[in-house]
Amino acid sequence: DAGITQSPRHKVTETGTPVTLRCHQTENHRYMYWYRQDPGHGLRLIHYSYGVKDTDKGEVSDGYSVSRSKTEDFLLTLESATSSQTSVYFCAISNDAVNTEAFFGQGTRLTVV
Amino acid sequence: DQQVKQNSPSLSVQEGRISILNCDYTNSMFDYFLWYKKYPAEGPTFLISISSIKDKNEDGRFTVFLNKSAKHLSLHIVPSQPGDSAVYFCAAGSGGYNKLIFGAGTRLAVHP
Repeated sequence: DAGITQSPRHKVTETGTPVTLRCHQTENHRYMYWYRQDPGHGLRLIHYSYGVKDTDKGEVSDGYSVSRSKTEDFLLTLESATSSQTSVYFCAISNDAVNTEAFFGQGTRLTVV
Repeated sequence: DQQVKQNSPSLSVQEGRISILNCDYTNSMFDYFLWYKKYPAEGPTFLISISSIKDKNEDGRFTVFLNKSAKHLSLHIVPSQPGDSAVYFCAAGSGGYNKLIFGAGTRLAVHP
């Protein structure tokens, strides 16, 4: 299994509070991704990183920010959580830019009440 | 507008028979397709992939077929086993940086 650890695994937070999810990898892969999974939508890309301090938006980036200060860590921040951000969040890594599989972490279940 | 569609939310198959999961896409620029398997409370696990220059890729009990003219791919599992019961996601590679576009998933149930 690829060495990907997501923390926390579960979190309940209140509307309007900031939340940070962490993804830590031990594979030294250059590319890292944050996806969210919702019923009827599969997985949708929030943000991705193609190197330290290099990040870009995915298809559902509104309300989220990311940071990558080290190769091994990719942080996802909800600046002010809303109920629509209740979801399961997955971090993924890959070692190439194209045509290769991505490896996923076990997910973080976030509930915004 | 979903670029990758899995129109069957669920599929039930008897153990030992063939499972066929289908996926359609709309973007002709996709050049790499993948299938992931997901168990509850776990992350998706890569299963098999296919490049757009091929029409078939096989790995043990799993075979993926690609029909570019129809923008359709399918995953065949033969023979199906109860441990194959999971949600299967079709994904397509798009736009560089290995960004993946996923379908909504098909829940496969293999019963004895």
